[in-house]
Amino acid sequence: NAGVTQTPKFQVLKTGQSMTLQCAQDMNHEYMSWYRQDPGMGLRLIHYSVGAGITDQGEVPNGYNVSRSTTEDFPLRLLSAAPSQTSVYFCASSYDGQYGYTFGSGTRLTVV
Amino acid sequence: GQQLNQSPQSMFIQEGEDVSMNCTSSSIFNTWLWYKQEPGEGPVLLIALYKAGELTSNGRLTAQFGITRKDSFLNISASIPSDVGIYFCAGPMNYGGSQGNLIFGKGTKLSVKP
Repeated sequence: NAGVTQTPKFQVLKTGQSMTLQCAQDMNHEYMSWYRQDPGMGLRLIHYSVGAGITDQGEVPNGYNVSRSTTEDFPLRLLSAAPSQTSVYFCASSYDGQYGYTFGSGTRLTVV
Repeated sequence: GQQLNQSPQSMFIQEGEDVSMNCTSSSIFNTWLWYKQEPGEGPVLLIALYKAGELTSNGRLTAQFGITRKDSFLNISASIPSDVGIYFCAGPMNYGGSQGNLIFGKGTKLSVKP
């Protein structure tokens, strides 16, 4: 039982490049979310999903796309990377969306 | 919108001391969660509180759900070096379509001197 797995752990992008951050969970959780963490800002919700085929925007969605074709996977796509997207990204999942989200160990992204 | 205000922002304490931190909001929350984040890792759930006035312990950690449902505190007794990390309070969003997702405070960074 691996929990929430995020890849890669570290990534450096050039401005304008695109990439996909991967997230997979093996707990059969319906709810999955992406957060970004910046110094002094806590964690802010980017996008979330309440089940396969259903996604919605969070607090800071601009510049990011998501899709949820399976229960297990919830990739986050950066369409055209900008320095303002330099951050640590966390994927999380939950059984019922209210309590006890389980977090992955994060992807540290630097955009130069 | 909903906001969680955590204090203090950071703490430097001696090993063996007790620690207290709190979280307040102008909005009512029906659940309060406390997470700990260690360097290079994701947050890990420490304690969940579901009822106003509830007091819950997890080893040396004790958390309370404020009676007004607008605040919560976390205490750590007899701190040890492995308590180092950032402690976040969190609660479920209750507006629009984001229901079920969490809103986080900005965290309290704890440093422990041996």
